[in-house]
Amino acid sequence: QSALTQPPSVSGSPGQSVTISCSGTSSDIGSYNRVSWYQQPPGTAPKLVIYDVTYRPSGVPDRFSGSKSGNTASLTISGLQAEDEADYYCSSYTITSTWVFGGGTELTVL
Amino acid sequence: QVQLVQSGAEVKKPGASVKVSCKASGYTFTNNDINWVRQATGQGLEWMGWINPNSGNTGYAPKFQGRVTMTRNISIRTVYMELSGLRSDDTAVYYCARAYGGLDPWGQGTLVTVSS
Repeated sequence: QSALTQPPSVSGSPGQSVTISCSGTSSDIGSYNRVSWYQQPPGTAPKLVIYDVTYRPSGVPDRFSGSKSGNTASLTISGLQAEDEADYYCSSYTITSTWVFGGGTELTVL
Repeated sequence: QVQLVQSGAEVKKPGASVKVSCKASGYTFTNNDINWVRQATGQGLEWMGWINPNSGNTGYAPKFQGRVTMTRNISIRTVYMELSGLRSDDTAVYYCARAYGGLDPWGQGTLVTVSS
């Protein structure tokens, strides 16, 4: 199972919006609404910020939103804050009953 | 609060095995699968497999099939991940995580270093 494809890096200024894409196939993202997004600041464990494409866990600000179209999912962070600077990973369930992650995207807040 | 606490760092020689534990608290242990994910230094996340603490059923990523074994001890609310035939490229931080919507929460991670 190949990893999902994410851009290596994105950046934005405080207050702006950024979108991170996650490209998969009809064997993963295209087959299920089981896409999750994780935030990982340096030296820490990942934290769930979006699950099942669009849902936010309790405590995650509504600045974080998710969407999906066909084989591609996206994470949008609006009203960027310095604390949002981290690596972000997407993940999807697959038709072989396994999970696959994206390669990760480094978000820099300018 | 829901918490997963993992065992401490390990140093192993090539060819050896390592067994990492993950102790759960703050929720009904048998209600949710536990997944294992690893991350080499400076690299991305790699899914390894899952275990259902209630049934003991497991599912492994093809890459690790035959080398990984996930087990659990319900009485002490702990799951284990054992990886055999260690190689230098198995050096990584190993995480356990509860399946709840996505993976939430994650343990603090266990560094496994494989070196001769």
